Amino acid sequence: VQLVESGGGLVKPGGSLRLSCTASGFTFSDHYMHWIRQAPGGGLEWIARITDTGSATYYADSVRGRFTISRDNTKNSLYLQMNTLRAEDTAVYYCARDPDTSNKVDYWGLGALVTVSS
Amino acid sequence: VVMTQSPLSLPVTLGQPASISCRSSQSLLYSDGNTYLSWFQQRPGQSPRRLIYQVSNRDSGVPDRFSGSGSGTDFTLKISRVEAEDVGVYYCMQGVYWPPVTFGQGTRLEIK
Repeated sequence: VQLVESGGGLVKPGGSLRLSCTASGFTFSDHYMHWIRQAPGGGLEWIARITDTGSATYYADSVRGRFTISRDNTKNSLYLQMNTLRAEDTAVYYCARDPDTSNKVDYWGLGALVTVSS
Repeated sequence: VVMTQSPLSLPVTLGQPASISCRSSQSLLYSDGNTYLSWFQQRPGQSPRRLIYQVSNRDSGVPDRFSGSGSGTDFTLKISRVEAEDVGVYYCMQGVYWPPVTFGQGTRLEIK
């Protein structure tokens, strides 16, 4: 199982950024997927989950209405569109696989750093 | 559901045992009879890695010096003999009451 995030970088407050996660080593379309973030020196914060078909999405209160999780099973890819970014969104963003909808998270990606600063 | 870990910092001598506690604000026993509590290890500069799922099941490749136990709201991760490669932060996680999936604050294990 390999998960590789891309698209991180420096963005000004109020700006937008789109993260991608490319999956390999497993049947991507069989699994729900998550985005989880970690602020510098901080703990882990779950932010979004998407079903295997992409038909349903779920968000943490901290990002609902600003972030959108989506996927393209033909490209084995997961996305996170982040709008109206704030300084407190600065974090390493991980995509993670959901093994079986009950245990929720097993494999994690390498992470992508997003810095929101003027 | 709030996950509370203790201690937050754990200095351990090489070769000695270590124990981390995780308490949930509600029982993690699900209606299917299983308890969905996982433990993750994050070594310095790395992504988290799952060690234990459903309280006591070790993931493939995880050394048997790691073990998990507990039930309901009280859980423990034990390392029988700490090695240098065990340095890092350990997190518990619940997936029963979601959204959101919630993690403990993390316990930083260091070598004394």
